[in-house]
Formats: sequence, structure tokens, C-alpha cells
Amino acid sequence: QSALTQPASVSGSPGQSITISCTGTSSDVGGYNYVSWYQQHPGKAPKLMIYDVSKRPSGVSNRFSGSKSGNTASLTISGLQAEDEADYYCSSYTSSSTWVFGGGTKLTVL
Amino acid sequence: EVQLVESGGGLVQPGRSLRLSCAASGFTFDDYAMHWVRQAPGKGLEWVSGISWNSGSTGYADSVKGRFTISRDNAKNSLYLQMNSLRAEDTALYYCAKGWAGVVIFPMHYWGQGTLVTVSS
Repeated sequence: QSALTQPASVSGSPGQSITISCTGTSSDVGGYNYVSWYQQHPGKAPKLMIYDVSKRPSGVSNRFSGSKSGNTASLTISGLQAEDEADYYCSSYTSSSTWVFGGGTKLTVL
Repeated sequence: EVQLVESGGGLVQPGRSLRLSCAASGFTFDDYAMHWVRQAPGKGLEWVSGISWNSGSTGYADSVKGRFTISRDNAKNSLYLQMNSLRAEDTALYYCAKGWAGVVIFPMHYWGQGTLVTVSS
């Protein structure tokens, strides 16, 4: 159950778009369309932003989108806003019937 | 409104046991899978365990398998995590999370605020 691989940090200016990658294996990201993305502000509980690779829960801005190619999933945030500054985690269901998270990516809005 | 309130955390010596609870409200508890996810201080998220709506299916991370047991009482709208043989590396904020649907294959949707477990002598 190795953690999924995410970049430690990404940054962007307000209004720009950024993409966070999440790389796994054929036993997790590549094998299932059960990839989710979570946003976590400091001192707060995580919030589900994307599920099933590209679906958005009710209430989540359409500036957030997800995709997957092979063993790598991606989260794209368009029209970057100051309140998007947070930690982002990907997660995937695995062939061991467990869930695995990525190490997290700190997004800085410049 | 979905509410998940964890309790039972605290300071415990290595090798001892602790039982966490999660009180759920605002939704039909026995329709949904539930999960425990932890976060060590300053670190990332780690999925710990999940349980299906009827307790028929459970799963554990390798790091806790054989030491932790997840359970639920649908009559009491409550989720539990029995933690035995605790180690220093189990020190973390433990979150209770409501699944998107009734089985563990669906993601964690709503999260509680967590309860802190500190394992230290």
C-alpha cells in the first residue's frame, strides 16, 4: 500500500490555472475509476472536491475538474482564487480493497 | 446537516489500548459505509479502515491490520475503532468519515473534526 505520488507544492497567480498530478500503479489509480481529490485548509477537516475521477459533489465550484490517463490522475483548478490556497490530496481505491492517499500538495496562490 | 463527532482520543502509553467513537447524525446512518482516516502531526492523510453499511465488509491498512478493529452500531448511529497494541507511530488526529454510499469502494464524503490520539510513555 504505497502512497500515491503527488508534487510537494504548486503555485499560481490569481486567475491562472494549475494542475496537480497523482501517480499510482495499475493496482490503484490505473485499475479503477475510483479516484478522489480532497481539499484541506489549515486546521480544518478535508473536503471532497472530486470523486470517480471527474465528478463534482454538489456545491463544489466548476473551476475544479479531474481527469485520468493510465496510472496518473490530475486535478485542475481554473481561475485560481485566494481561497483555493490549501493542501490537496488524491486518493484511490486499490486492488487490496483498501484506499490509499497521495502525500499531499501544498497550493500557494501568489 | 451531516454531523460526525469523534471522541475517545487522549494520551496513552505504548502497548496499551484505546477505543474511538464517532456519533453520526443528519443522515440515515445505516445506508452508508463509514471510514477512519488519520493524520499524523504535520503529515498527510492515511486511510485506516472502512466498514460497509451492514458490517458485512471491512478493510484495514497494512499498518494497523491485526491491531485495530472497526465496528458500528446502526441502532446507535455510531462508529467505533478499537485500537490495541498502540505504537508511537499511531499518534495522529483520527477522523471519522461518511462514505458516499453503502460500500467501502465509494469515497469518503463528509468528515468529522477529528480526535487526537497521542501514544507516548
